[in-house]
Amino acid sequence: AQKVTQAQTEISVVEKEDVTLDCVYETRDTTYYLFWYKQPPSGELVFLIRRNSFDEQNEISGRYSWNFQKSTSSFNFTITASQVVDSAVYFCALVLGGRAGANSKLTFGKGITLSVRP
Amino acid sequence: GAVVSQHPSWVICKSGTSVKIECRSLDFQATTMFWYRQFPKQSLMLMATSNEGSKATYEQGVEKDKFLINHASLTLSTLTVTSAHPEDSSFYICSASGTGQGIWYEQYFGPGTRLTVT
Repeated sequence: AQKVTQAQTEISVVEKEDVTLDCVYETRDTTYYLFWYKQPPSGELVFLIRRNSFDEQNEISGRYSWNFQKSTSSFNFTITASQVVDSAVYFCALVLGGRAGANSKLTFGKGITLSVRP
Repeated sequence: GAVVSQHPSWVICKSGTSVKIECRSLDFQATTMFWYRQFPKQSLMLMATSNEGSKATYEQGVEKDKFLINHASLTLSTLTVTSAHPEDSSFYICSASGTGQGIWYEQYFGPGTRLTVT
């Protein structure tokens, strides 16, 4: 069975600091997808990124960047120059590839609560 | 594209009554819908998966007679909490996957429904 571990539970930083959120996953499948979601206080999940297991290229989107390393089964997320609006709970998730429909269950980590203080 | 709505966004009901939550895919055909439950400061817990026109598949420990799921069309799934009790108070989130988005393993999330049972 697959597993997603987000060892950090709560992180507090001061605005403009860089912060990295860790995600470690376990799966025996070779084809899978990894996701990061943001859940602000309103509760709605906001999709941030999807990465498939065959694409180890790092990605940058504005202040956000992601580092995917299959060798360590990690998919870490860095926010550069954090802002108060980044305060939210961040979830890392995994779904196995090669299956569709009812078998496409997302396995979520427990989430990391990020607080950015002004 | 790929918008999922939920109605109501919040509901308060009395103990012993039933509550129905609707999940709609607004601009795509949702062949599979997922229902999650989230307690405060916890991760999302998958309750059940439903394919259009079929009976829902419930996760272990989820009472199928208490949480009735109907996925009658490619754009609508409903979750009915029957004989609700205060311990059923939670944040319920639906997601949908289907055709037209490009990737089978993408789940699109609704904004959630906050249920409070008094």
